[in-house]
Amino acid sequence: DQQVKQNSPSLSVQEGRISILNCDYTNSMFDYFLWYKKYPAEGPTFLISISSIKDKNEDGRFTVFLNKSAKHLSLHIVPSQPGDSAVYFCAARDYGGSQGNLIFGKGTKLSVKP
Amino acid sequence: DGGITQSPKYLFRKEGQNVTLSCEQNLNHDAMYWYRQDPGQGLRLIYYSQIVNDFQKGDIAEGYSVSREKKESFPLTVTSAQKNPTAFYLCASSPTRGTGELFFGEGSRLTVL
Repeated sequence: DQQVKQNSPSLSVQEGRISILNCDYTNSMFDYFLWYKKYPAEGPTFLISISSIKDKNEDGRFTVFLNKSAKHLSLHIVPSQPGDSAVYFCAARDYGGSQGNLIFGKGTKLSVKP
Repeated sequence: DGGITQSPKYLFRKEGQNVTLSCEQNLNHDAMYWYRQDPGQGLRLIYYSQIVNDFQKGDIAEGYSVSREKKESFPLTVTSAQKNPTAFYLCASSPTRGTGELFFGEGSRLTVL
């Protein structure tokens, strides 16, 4: 029973256009949501996060939107660059659970074509 | 430089052998974690430790063991009881307080021959 779902295993976008990666969750106790980026054979690196009390957080080309009523969040990358090609993981923290333990989605592989 | 160091990066093992993956951090984080990544499976939690000398099983702990004798170190042993050990293993740490952000090592690729 997946608590964090990334329903699109892959996404292909043209360079310069917007990439939108989606994530759905089921647990209303999640208090923080995070996005990680991962290249092959490397560890994931933190990208951006959002608190459950906010609906938007922006950092340069990356913006995360949170819709609590729909239990949905999305990561927007504008403009997309070839170096953004990687697997993106959505993660959520259940503060009532193990402190600091994140629950990850299965990831979406983003390919940005030049 | 502060960070998490995993070793070895690549490891080959014969069936029936135990193998230990090293994870060391100098971030002064209290919590440490081990995840396993398989294609299409995302990151699955094996074990985690929030303080020294204490650890808990994650979602897929069977066939694995850990120890946490020092704050800086959280080694993972893949035992012969693990039926499908070939995978990419990731160690992470996090501060006790914060947004839940995990800091990951570079990973260790274990292949069973």
